Amino acid sequence: AQTVTQSQPEMSVQEAETVTLSCTYDTSESDYYLFWYKQPPSRQMILVIRQEAYKQQNATENRFSVNFQKAAKSFSLKISDSQLGDAAMYFCAYRTRAGAGNQFYFGTGTSLTVIP
Amino acid sequence: DAGITQSPRHKVTETGTPVTLRCHQTENHRYMYWYRQDPGHGLRLIHYSYGVKDTDKGEVSDGYSVSRSKTEDFLLTLESATSSQTSVYFCAIGGGPYNEQFFGPGTRLTVL
Repeated sequence: AQTVTQSQPEMSVQEAETVTLSCTYDTSESDYYLFWYKQPPSRQMILVIRQEAYKQQNATENRFSVNFQKAAKSFSLKISDSQLGDAAMYFCAYRTRAGAGNQFYFGTGTSLTVIP
Repeated sequence: DAGITQSPRHKVTETGTPVTLRCHQTENHRYMYWYRQDPGHGLRLIHYSYGVKDTDKGEVSDGYSVSRSKTEDFLLTLESATSSQTSVYFCAIGGGPYNEQFFGPGTRLTVL
């Protein structure tokens, strides 16, 4: 099974600053999807950004962008101009492109605190 | 937002009692999933379904069973609840151009 590792259990950032959350994964596949989900205190899981492995260009969604390093199996999330509403648990997830059941593998999460 | 509801949203039960959690979707998605979320473990897949009456086990399926008699409903049953099954349970459906998963609001289950 694929494994996803988030080595930073907790991170903090000053409001309006930039923060980067790390994610690495282990796979022998060449084609797959990667995702970042946000879980605020409401507990709802919200999709933040997604990346296809075969695309070289890093995905961007407004203030959120990724640094996808396929050879290094790294998929970090950069949050620019951090806002108080960005405070949440962030989960990195991997999904095989070819596997049965669209099975996702999640990291253990990084808790982000935004300091006013 | 994807139309996914879970019921109940909170439940407290006693060890040894049966518990059924319901996930209902209005998106007509083929794939549905049950996860549990525990501190230090992220989300772990319990069971999933790839169609009516078609289900398969996930990473942590022991002590759980599922059923899917209609496209829109996916039930998770704890036949005899144990304290180790105290957790937050999430239902998800698959879909979208990247086949990302959309999640329900979660059910907090406490087994005393």
